[in-house]
Amino acid sequence: EPEVTQTPSHQVTQMGQEVILRCVPISNHLYFYWYRQILGQKVEFLVSFYNNEISEKSEIFDDQFSVERPDGSNFTLKIRSTKLEDSAMYFCASRTGTQSNYGYTFGSGTRLTVV
Amino acid sequence: RKEVEQDPGPFNVPEGATVAFNCTYSNSASQSFFWYRQDCRKEPKLLMSVYSSGNEDGRFTAQLNRASQYISLLIRDSKLSDSATYLCVVTWYGNTGKLIFGQGTTLQVKP
Repeated sequence: EPEVTQTPSHQVTQMGQEVILRCVPISNHLYFYWYRQILGQKVEFLVSFYNNEISEKSEIFDDQFSVERPDGSNFTLKIRSTKLEDSAMYFCASRTGTQSNYGYTFGSGTRLTVV
Repeated sequence: RKEVEQDPGPFNVPEGATVAFNCTYSNSASQSFFWYRQDCRKEPKLLMSVYSSGNEDGRFTAQLNRASQYISLLIRDSKLSDSATYLCVVTWYGNTGKLIFGQGTTLQVKP
């Protein structure tokens, strides 16, 4: 079964440092997403990406965040200057363009710890 | 008002029990409805979609009441392996397919 692959599985970084979280979506999927989940809280939408541009972003996705699809296979989330409150699980997801069930597939996540 | 609201639980039930979870959503334009399952520190995984007519998948039955903006999940004959957090999820018309998650309801099935 096709998978969404995320690396690294766990990243520890110093406050103020830049981090890049990487994702390889399923190859024939067209829509890409990042979500985050702070420990003990709900899964929250960050950003959606389609046709090589951001299609929607949440209030959480401020100027410190950016996304790229640099080479047609990888999909990255960059946090420019990390804060303690950025500590969370970050999930990448992708889906087909099929409306009926969205075909959503999540990666296994990157646990980001900011110290 | 929260977009998707669930009782966080935990629900502690014995093996073999029947347990029901409820969820309400605030946006009447909500289009699609799902139950996801999340194990501790893992990614959400689709359990089942929810249709207006109600639908069943083995021991799991989902119901949708659009008039009341209410979704339910019934689990019959609970197994130890059903222990997890169950997430109520909605999307709505005109957006980019983003999923709106509830906080989740934790189920612990005990021997």
